[in-house]
Amino acid sequence: NAGVMQNPRHLVRRRGQEARLRCSPMKGHSHVYWYRQLPEEGLKFMVYLQKENIIDESGMPKERFSAEFPKEGPSILRIQQVVRGDSAAYFCASSPSRQGIAEAFFGQGTRLTVV
Amino acid sequence: AQTVTQSQPEMSVQEAETVTLSCTYDTSESDYYLFWYKQPPSRQMILVIRQEAYKQQNATENRFSVNFQKAAKSFSLKISDSQLGDAAMYFCACFHTGANSKLTFGKGITLSVRP
Repeated sequence: NAGVMQNPRHLVRRRGQEARLRCSPMKGHSHVYWYRQLPEEGLKFMVYLQKENIIDESGMPKERFSAEFPKEGPSILRIQQVVRGDSAAYFCASSPSRQGIAEAFFGQGTRLTVV
Repeated sequence: AQTVTQSQPEMSVQEAETVTLSCTYDTSESDYYLFWYKQPPSRQMILVIRQEAYKQQNATENRFSVNFQKAAKSFSLKISDSQLGDAAMYFCACFHTGANSKLTFGKGITLSVRP
C-alpha cells in the first residue's frame, strides 16, 4: 500500500519555464491538498482538490499557478513562467475525505529550484 | 481564520533528557484537531501526535505526549528520553472541521539533540 507519491523529488527550471509537479494520492484517497514551504518557514496552504473539482484555492497565487486533479491520473500543480521566488518545497497530502484531514498523509515533496 | 504560533525558533536537548516544544493557536471554532509533525532532513512530513479538541485527555504516543490547555489555547509537545533520531524540525498545526478549513501550520522549531 504505497503512500503519497510525488515526483519529481527535485526539479530545476530556468526563469520563464514551466514547472509541473505531480502527486499520486494514497489508494482510496480522493482528496488532495497542496502546500508550499519556503526556506525557514512552515507549510502554507495552496489548494484543496477533490476528483475533478477545485474545492478551495484561496492560497494559490492569482497568476501563473494552477492545479488539477483529473478523474484518472495524478494531481498536477502547474507553475507557468517560473520566477526565483517560486523556489520552494511543494508538498502534497491526501485523505479519504474532507474530515479525514486528521488522517492525511504527506508525500515527500518536490523541491523546485529556479535558476 | 486560524493562526498557529511557535515562538521558539530552535531548541537543544541532551540525549536521554526531556524537552518541551511550545505552541499556541487561535481559532474561533469549537471543533478542531491539533497536530505535531516532524520534518527530518529528508523533508518527509511525519505525523507525530494528534489531539482532538473535544477530548480532555492529553494524547500520548510512546515517548511523545502533549499538554493540551484548551482555555489557554496552548498545545505543547513533550519528548521524553530524547534520542539522536529526534533531531528535526517540528511543526504544530491546527485543523477545524468547519467550512473552508485547511491545515494551518506554525513556522516550526528546529530541535537538536546533543550526544
